[in-house]
Amino acid sequence: EVQLVQSGAEVKKPGESLKISCKGSGYSFTSYWIGWVRQMPGKGLEWMGIIYPGDSDTRYSPSFQGQVTISADKSISTAYLQWSSLKASDTAMYYCARLDSSSLEFDPWGQGTLVTVSS
Amino acid sequence: NFMLTQPHSVSESPGKTVTISCTRSSGSIASNYVQWYQQRPGSAPTTVIYEDNQRPSGVPDRFSGSIDSSSNSASLTISGLKTEDEADYYCQSYDSSNPVVFGGGTKLTVL
Repeated sequence: EVQLVQSGAEVKKPGESLKISCKGSGYSFTSYWIGWVRQMPGKGLEWMGIIYPGDSDTRYSPSFQGQVTISADKSISTAYLQWSSLKASDTAMYYCARLDSSSLEFDPWGQGTLVTVSS
Repeated sequence: NFMLTQPHSVSESPGKTVTISCTRSSGSIASNYVQWYQQRPGSAPTTVIYEDNQRPSGVPDRFSGSIDSSSNSASLTISGLKTEDEADYYCQSYDSSNPVVFGGGTKLTVL
């Protein structure tokens, strides 16, 4: 079974750093793009960026370029999303999802990681 | 960059048919596949339609997708509505410059 399992919920203070993870299993992790999607409370889905773990090629949405860093460690089939200095406005649910290379469909999705940033 | 515009909300009664539209602002809707995702409260999105009109296994045939080049839009149609279909629905597509574009989402109420 193809599966993406994300790290657990985080509560952080403004200014702190954070790295959340997404571990893939059941498929060749290096052969598919992995994307990160933000969903702020009560809002829609926003694409943040994608990474190809095979060569770490990374593309960012213009809205998130410079705000976050996406990386991957293919030796442990894990992708990461990190912040160097969190803001209250980063409070959201973050999903990772595998991107099909032909249809560009996101499937499957991870279960989501809730990040709460509050002083 | 192009945008995908969806109605904010739609509502219909159980047993009826509802159609949710997704209009592409520039470029041809037929040039790139459109996906549709269902998101129930508290859950991650799941695919109900991929590649414009394909249903993943396990998705009922009450769900169908189509493309209309004349209106440059895609549509998700759900027939025989059930209360369990109440959810948010998102369309998604791409082009050569934008690997991922989501629509704003449509809240479906089955009342």
